[in-house]
Amino acid sequence: DAKTTQPTSMDCAEGRAANLPCNHSTISGNEYVYWYRQIHSQGPQYIIHGLKNNETNEMASLIITEDRKSSTLILPHATLRDTAVYYCIVRGNSGGSNYKLTFGKGTLLTVNP
Amino acid sequence: EAQVTQNPRYLITVTGKKLTVTCSQNMNHEYMSWYRQDPGLGLRQIYYSMNVEVTDKGDVPEGYKVSRKEKRNFPLILESPSPNQTSLYFCASSNIIGELFFGEGSRLTVL
Repeated sequence: DAKTTQPTSMDCAEGRAANLPCNHSTISGNEYVYWYRQIHSQGPQYIIHGLKNNETNEMASLIITEDRKSSTLILPHATLRDTAVYYCIVRGNSGGSNYKLTFGKGTLLTVNP
Repeated sequence: EAQVTQNPRYLITVTGKKLTVTCSQNMNHEYMSWYRQDPGLGLRQIYYSMNVEVTDKGDVPEGYKVSRKEKRNFPLILESPSPNQTSLYFCASSNIIGELFFGEGSRLTVL
């Protein structure tokens, strides 16, 4: 069973904010939400993670709903180089949810000029 | 520089000829994992390892073996490769919790 669901694809205009949603309705209390992206066929790259509070770093912001059943990755000013597949996964700190990590198909974000 | 190194990056081989894809990390990570990526199927986990001598199956382990004799290395072994193992393979490592670091990928073609 997929632990997260994401839209298959999204478009965004260059310079605008890209908001990528992820549903993780079965998330448990000790599981973090992680976001990665993969440009072309390169190795996926870590972006950000969070548990329950919103997080921000130099790449993106992560908004997690209060019930923790969904989250949104925000790229505040998307550039053409942000065109990539974005993966949302959940990872706990013990047991199977820590080790058996399912990435799924992710969301293909296309940033248009 | 922190990195995960995979070799070879590209390989064309024939059915039945045993091959090994090596993976090495220099971050002293306990956790390592192998994924394969195929068009339309996303990233699928093959095997993972929580520490030296501790390995377990992911979602698609058939046709693969792994070993973890040293903390830094986690080779992926294809004893008798078949064309359906033609894929892009990624190795990843992390601490027991935390973000994954991925290698650059190994593109394998089995004829």
